[in-house]
Amino acid sequence: ETGVTQSPTHLIKTRGQQVTLRCSSQSGHNTVSWYQQALGQGPQFIFQYYREEENGRGNFPPRFSGLQFPNYSSELNVNALELDDSALYLCASSEVVSTEAFFGQGTRLTVV
Amino acid sequence: DQQVKQNSPSLSVQEGRISILNCDYTNSMFDYFLWYKKYPAEGPTFLISISSIKDKNEDGRFTVFLNKSAKHLSLHIVPSQPGDSAVYFCAAKSGSEKLVFGKGTKLTVNP
Repeated sequence: ETGVTQSPTHLIKTRGQQVTLRCSSQSGHNTVSWYQQALGQGPQFIFQYYREEENGRGNFPPRFSGLQFPNYSSELNVNALELDDSALYLCASSEVVSTEAFFGQGTRLTVV
Repeated sequence: DQQVKQNSPSLSVQEGRISILNCDYTNSMFDYFLWYKKYPAEGPTFLISISSIKDKNEDGRFTVFLNKSAKHLSLHIVPSQPGDSAVYFCAAKSGSEKLVFGKGTKLTVNP
């Protein structure tokens, strides 16, 4: 059984650019959530996907978008990057919507 | 509006002693509470959880206590070990909704 994996682990982008982060869910998990963790803060919910449909969204602007694929892997896309988007982005998967979520190691995004 | 609060940014204890990490919440609709542990350069690792219908859940050295009337939960680690040194996050959810996290408490266990 493989865990949640994210790629890349680190990324540096320029303000205004676009970025795509990827996540492979743990085997058997059909729900994926994305979180942003700024320095010194707890993870903040961005959105969740359940069986390829968005199933909830946090207080993030539309330039944060996502996808979930038939194999339950997922992407987080951020357009028009801003300096404040610099953070650790965490992907979490779970077997059904209501159980514990298991996190990947995260992608550290730096916007310069 | 912070719905989950961990008021102690850091805690230092001696190896072998008890570590008590605290968490307060404001949303009475929360019905499930979780603790995660996070090492540097790793994602949060699920530690232990508790449903709102219980007031205690135990797993080895880790025990979580829930006081619904006070909207307070705590994580006890006994005995504490140096490998427990990490940032601990309290999280809560209502039904199938998103996890809401506190800001974390950095635990240091000194040998």
